[in-house]
Amino acid sequence: GIQVEQSPPDLILQEGANSTLRCNFSDSVNNLQWFHQNPWGQLINLFYIPSGTKQNGRLSATTVATERYSLLYISSSQTTDSGVYFCAVGDYKLSFGAGTTVTVRA
Amino acid sequence: KAGVTQTPRYLIKTRGQQVTLSCSPISGHRSVSWYQQTPGQGLQFLFEYFSETQRNKGNFPGRFSGRQFSNSRSEMNVSTLELGDSALYLCASRAETGYTFGSGTRLTVV
Repeated sequence: GIQVEQSPPDLILQEGANSTLRCNFSDSVNNLQWFHQNPWGQLINLFYIPSGTKQNGRLSATTVATERYSLLYISSSQTTDSGVYFCAVGDYKLSFGAGTTVTVRA
Repeated sequence: KAGVTQTPRYLIKTRGQQVTLSCSPISGHRSVSWYQQTPGQGLQFLFEYFSETQRNKGNFPGRFSGRQFSNSRSEMNVSTLELGDSALYLCASRAETGYTFGSGTRLTVV
């Protein structure tokens, strides 16, 4: 199956800081998504981004499919951005990375 | 538009029992897939159903089974529960723009 690696595993930020999360994957894919898992366990879809760049408020993402990586940018971080961020790839089944745990301190 | 609905939210079962979890996808979505999340193994794919047919299956023992009904609702069954089956079980429905997940069912086996 497709291997997905996320880095860093943990990230501690001061409120207002910017950060970049990375996702590397082992094979070409037609679907790549970024999720934020809330404290109750639900995976919230942030971006569907098999290629290109998208922005949604303070979050943006870029996928370079030819080089098999994707980046998630968090700007002006807030405490509500805390949680685990997952990258997942695949068409009929998703392969998930191990996640990046983000802690934003006030 | 209602999201993906999973019931129940929490469940406590005894080792050896069986359990059935339910998932209703977003209206109009015909693909439903199930995932297990544990601290040790992370998020792992269980199976995917499309139009009442299992289309893909992950690497789980036969104790894990599922089905999908004509209205696209899906159920997942785990028989002869083991302590290691304690996990968050997530269901997702799929559209052309990716997957949407439900809130999950947290199963505890004691």
